[in-house]
Amino acid sequence: GENVEQHPSTLSVQEGDSAVIKCTYSDSASNYFPWYKQELGKRPQLIIDIRSNVGEKKDQRIAVTLNKTAKHFSLHITETQPEDSAVYFCAAYNQGGKLIFGQGTELSVKP
Amino acid sequence: DARVTQTPRHKVTEMGQEVTMRCQPILGHNTVFWYRQTMMQGLELLAYFRNRAPLDDSGMPKDRFSAEMPDATLATLKIQPSEPRDSAVYFCASGPGGSGNTIYFGEGSWLTVV
Repeated sequence: GENVEQHPSTLSVQEGDSAVIKCTYSDSASNYFPWYKQELGKRPQLIIDIRSNVGEKKDQRIAVTLNKTAKHFSLHITETQPEDSAVYFCAAYNQGGKLIFGQGTELSVKP
Repeated sequence: DARVTQTPRHKVTEMGQEVTMRCQPILGHNTVFWYRQTMMQGLELLAYFRNRAPLDDSGMPKDRFSAEMPDATLATLKIQPSEPRDSAVYFCASGPGGSGNTIYFGEGSWLTVV
């Protein structure tokens, strides 16, 4: 079937610490893995993505890693700041072209 | 700055009434998705279109929901009759087409059915 599992559902860290969110997917044909950030009352916005031909991608304090063999990918946020507090969603396309989202992780960064 | 435009932004309606939500995808995007989100929960895919053709609406309750793309600049999601359990935020998103492309979300239509 088509499924994207995301963990943890909630994550609380101290400002300056790192945060890691993990996702697994089931469709081996998936080739594109975006991450979205959603602040309260706002729309989800793309923060980083990775394609299946690379294993890691970094953009300032945010990085994503992909393990195609194990069918999992992770979001890493370093030096977290209070403005990083939000809900983060991973997603993966299935073979039919549907973009399936994980259940979301509520990240709280405490000052 | 190209954006997906959704109307209405907020809607309060009584149970049993018809609700129509509209979406204008980003110009040039040929793939449109409808998602539903309740109480900051996950994004549940209801339907999606490519080149105006419905590709999958298996996530949508067929008895009361319908989705269409009358033309390339307009996608609609209709609920008839509406029920309190339909209260949610309905997001439209568009992309340039095909798997492996980024999609961009509209601001959402916040629906409350009383």
